[in-house]
Amino acid sequence: NAGVTQTPKFQVLKTGQSMTLQCAQDMNHEYMSWYRQDPGMGLRLIHYSVGAGITDQGEVPNGYNVSRSTTEDFPLRLLSAAPSQTSVYFCASSNQRFGTANSPLHFGNGTRLTVT
Amino acid sequence: AQSVTQLDSQVPVFEEAPVELRCNYSSSVSVYLFWYVQYPNQGLQLLLKYLSGSTLVKGINGFEAEFNKSQTSFHLRKPSVHISDTAEYFCAVSEREESNFGNEKLTFGTGTRLTIIP
Repeated sequence: NAGVTQTPKFQVLKTGQSMTLQCAQDMNHEYMSWYRQDPGMGLRLIHYSVGAGITDQGEVPNGYNVSRSTTEDFPLRLLSAAPSQTSVYFCASSNQRFGTANSPLHFGNGTRLTVT
Repeated sequence: AQSVTQLDSQVPVFEEAPVELRCNYSSSVSVYLFWYVQYPNQGLQLLLKYLSGSTLVKGINGFEAEFNKSQTSFHLRKPSVHISDTAEYFCAVSEREESNFGNEKLTFGTGTRLTIIP
């Protein structure tokens, strides 16, 4: 009964370092997405995927890369971290076939990233 | 494009008192509306949703919301709050378009932090 699992829970990076935030879901959901949550700005969509091999940009994609080689996994890569990327990152999934109305987003517990 | 406004960033309420969290949206087409709740150190989870039909929607944990098309609002209410309701609440909207079915994007508001005072 895992749902959406994100690792790590916390991470501190130095400016210029790279890292990958992991996201896995066991619900066979086709739709997966990454959001960042910042104070006073709510959740903003970074990238999303409607199925294996298909990805697209969201509202704030710059500085992030994604890939979707399997239905279960949707990693988010920071190639060269910047202080502006300090945030809480959430992965979410849903059953895309039924649309947002009938298949709400299931969220992981988040990764808190600090870039110094 | 759709947008959501939650004017109140923080709402303190005494335990067992009623609460209303305000949400207004903007869209040029019909919409679906949602309230998500985020408990401390957790991800968001769906509280309730409006798709169509009755404008009064009931959700989990005794919450309800009313869709008002003329005022483009979807305010969340609870008649009597408990300490366990302490959380951040997010209103969200997605546009109803057949051509985009299954690929609707959710737009979230900036959130309202509900604090219950014992």
